[in-house]
Amino acid sequence: AQKVTQAQTEISVVEKEDVTLDCVYETRDTTYYLFWYKQPPSGELVFLIRRNSFDEQNEISGRYSWNFQKSTSSFNFTITASQVVDSAVYFCALSGGPVNTNAGKSTFGDGTTLTVKP
Amino acid sequence: EAGVAQSPRYKIIEKRQSVAFWCNPISGHATLYWYQQILGQGPKLLIQFQNNGVVDDSQLPKDRFSAERLKGVDSTLKIQPAKLEDSAVYLCASSSAGPSTDTQYFGPGTRLTVL
Repeated sequence: AQKVTQAQTEISVVEKEDVTLDCVYETRDTTYYLFWYKQPPSGELVFLIRRNSFDEQNEISGRYSWNFQKSTSSFNFTITASQVVDSAVYFCALSGGPVNTNAGKSTFGDGTTLTVKP
Repeated sequence: EAGVAQSPRYKIIEKRQSVAFWCNPISGHATLYWYQQILGQGPKLLIQFQNNGVVDDSQLPKDRFSAERLKGVDSTLKIQPAKLEDSAVYLCASSSAGPSTDTQYFGPGTRLTVL
């Protein structure tokens, strides 16, 4: 079975601070996909990023950056210069790649609630 | 491009009653997913369709939950009879490619309260 752990249940920061959300995963699949989603108070899950297991390049998109380290099974998410609008629940998810045991099966962590105070 | 549509947005029922949720995926998306999200937890996959066929329903409580996707487009998820522990948000998602190769896009969800 595959598993996603988001150890930080809640994080509170002051606006303009940088914040990192941790994600650790477990899988026996040889290929897999990792995702981050944002769930604002409105409730709709918003896709942020997908990373293939064979691509360990870090990615930056504006104030967002992701650090994928296969050696430690981690896929951490950093928000630089946080803003109040970043307040939301953030979910890390894992899905098995084709022809793997968990192919097509998505497993989500329990989320990290981020509060950014003005 | 229109997103994933779900209805109703909210539903309150008493235990042992029946309820149905509807989902219309993004046009052209072959794969459709139903998730259950209990307060304070991440979404849990209930069932996954590829066109109108079931890919995975291993976590669907089949004694009370059923789902169908006739014609490979819209889908309905039904609970009969509902229990208190079914109170949750039911999320529908769709993706354009194969089940494990593409990004899922989520609808706004249906918040179910069972009294």
